[in-house]
Amino acid sequence: DSGVTQTPKHLITATGQRVTLRCSPRSGDLSVYWYQQSLDQGLQFLIQYYNGEERAKGNILERFSAQQFPDLHSELNLSSLELGDSALYFCASSTYRGGSEAFFGQGTRLTVV
Amino acid sequence: AQKVTQAQTEISVVEKEDVTLDCVYETRDTTYYLFWYKQPPSGELVFLIRRNSFDEQNEISGRYSWNFQKSTSSFNFTITASQVVDSAVYFCALSEARDTDKLIFGTGTRLQVFP
Repeated sequence: DSGVTQTPKHLITATGQRVTLRCSPRSGDLSVYWYQQSLDQGLQFLIQYYNGEERAKGNILERFSAQQFPDLHSELNLSSLELGDSALYFCASSTYRGGSEAFFGQGTRLTVV
Repeated sequence: AQKVTQAQTEISVVEKEDVTLDCVYETRDTTYYLFWYKQPPSGELVFLIRRNSFDEQNEISGRYSWNFQKSTSSFNFTITASQVVDSAVYFCALSEARDTDKLIFGTGTRLQVFP
């Protein structure tokens, strides 16, 4: 158990809908990352938050947004969903000290139908 | 530009064989970090090891060992006496740890260990 909790584990929704994925980091970790894993793109970095502030953005679509709350949990919001958004979404957390290792949650498998 | 290449898409071995997973990276930074993660069939990503660019010592952890060579920009992973439970997809990743320590992943190597 990595200590990172993601909910829900599975999500099936229709095109055009909006969903929210939730992540609770490991105790003491201030940094949260979101990654997307799909068959065609592999594992791609989406966005990073550190202590409530956005730290870095990767290949995140404008239809996607995220935030980190004062209690350090994070949410990834995906809107106007398309079939191509079907993927495994991972949250990870770290202490963010000089390339510290990131620990990953079990992921949320999103299926858009 | 940063890049991680795992040229081996899939490897199949029989139990007790040794297997090496290759990883080649590209970065312009002098300070960087390299990682290996394991993704078993259940889907989670499990952290295995982290090395920084200043430490080229090889590391051994049980049946796992890692060989870091800056001269060839490689960070290879060897499993000795493989077991069926080693069957998974293994990812090599790079972090430059400048403004962000986001991970840049390779495409992964699927290892199948047959009994």
